[in-house]
Amino acid sequence: AQSVTQLGSHVSVSEGALVLLRCNYSSSVPPYLFWYVQYPNQGLQLLLKYTSAATLVKGINGFEAEFKKSETSFHLTKPSAHMSDAAEYFCAVSDRTGTASKLTFGTGTRLQVTL
Amino acid sequence: IAGITQAPTSQILAAGRRMTLRCTQDMRHNAMYWYRQDLGLGLRLIHYSNTAGTTGKGEVPDGYSVSRANTDDFPLTLASAVPSQTSVYFCASSDHAGGYNEQFFGPGTRLTVL
Repeated sequence: AQSVTQLGSHVSVSEGALVLLRCNYSSSVPPYLFWYVQYPNQGLQLLLKYTSAATLVKGINGFEAEFKKSETSFHLTKPSAHMSDAAEYFCAVSDRTGTASKLTFGTGTRLQVTL
Repeated sequence: IAGITQAPTSQILAAGRRMTLRCTQDMRHNAMYWYRQDLGLGLRLIHYSNTAGTTGKGEVPDGYSVSRANTDDFPLTLASAVPSQTSVYFCASSDHAGGYNEQFFGPGTRLTVL
């Protein structure tokens, strides 16, 4: 069974500082990997996804993530945090072998951005 | 373009009552999903539908049922609500089934079962 682990349920950074949100996956086959963001009282929206075309994936709002097979990781980064980045971030994995798009989500990391 | 709409926005329900959460999408997506979001647990898949007329069980299907009579609608029914079903419920859709597809999420329904 596939799974993702997000290290750190809360991360706090200063505005302008590097954002690093960690995600490690477990899958018996090369997975598809996603990062979603959830702003308060809203649904989730896609930040970026890895489908094996390139290991460094660029997403919206200046975020990017690097797929590292040797470390089974897909950490999310942004060079300079903005106040508007405060939200909850979810890493998710999807199985390539099935016909359904069944996403398995991590437990989420809440990002706080301080002045 | 509305995308995905969910109704109601929130609901307080007595235990034992029947409740249907509504989900409608206007993107003509083939696949639809229901998740529940609980603090510290992330989102968990309840049921899914790859295409109209088919449904499947997700990670936490017990106590819930779904139907997919047409492409646009995917209602979730709690036949006899219990307090453990207190949660925020999200409906989502994707263009096709298949693990690489982006899922688009609705705004959610906050359900409280007393």
